[in-house]
Amino acid sequence: DVKVTQSSRYLVKRTGEKVFLECVQDMDHENMFWYRQDPGLGLRLIYFSYDVKMKEKGDIPEGYSVSREKKERFSLILESASTNQTSMYLCASSLQGAQPQHFGDGTRLSIL
Amino acid sequence: SQQGEEDPQALSIQEGENATMNCSYKTSINNLQWYRQNSGRGLVHLILIRSNEREKHSGRLRVTLDTSKKSSSLLITASRAADTASYFCATAPRDNFNKFYFGSGTKLNVKP
Repeated sequence: DVKVTQSSRYLVKRTGEKVFLECVQDMDHENMFWYRQDPGLGLRLIYFSYDVKMKEKGDIPEGYSVSREKKERFSLILESASTNQTSMYLCASSLQGAQPQHFGDGTRLSIL
Repeated sequence: SQQGEEDPQALSIQEGENATMNCSYKTSINNLQWYRQNSGRGLVHLILIRSNEREKHSGRLRVTLDTSKKSSSLLITASRAADTASYFCATAPRDNFNKFYFGSGTKLNVKP
């Protein structure tokens, strides 16, 4: 079974801090994704990556950056955290193209 | 927005009844997928239907797709309390199938 592991289930940070969310997948998947999930808004795509060092913006990239130095690891970076970035963050991976995505359990991030 | 929309937003039924959820979307798609999310967890892939398919079955799940109306439905037959979860449709656009769009979900409550 594919396993997608997010480094933290819960995280509390302060405004202005630089925050790193880590995600690792163990199935050699090409694609990796970062979403945020807010009540009533569903999942919104922040960034995705289709290869090492390759990335593409999603619908809401402002205030975020990503890094994919190795195929199995995809990091989401909040450059200067703000309270409106308090949310549930979900990482996913897929083999390629439009194949099913496999999700981690999410990181519930609170920015105080 | 290219996101799909699920209908209804919430559904409450008795165990043993059937549950039907609908999804509408806006763009031409490569495929459409349904996911399930238990409270506080990541999403789990349930079923994928390609744009040239009209109906697909998997166990107690039945999915239909009408590309002329840009809509899909998910039917769960003989529901169980364990089916209580949120259900999301996701579309893989034909012009960029690396990029999924998720709806805001249907929250299903199955009462024992």
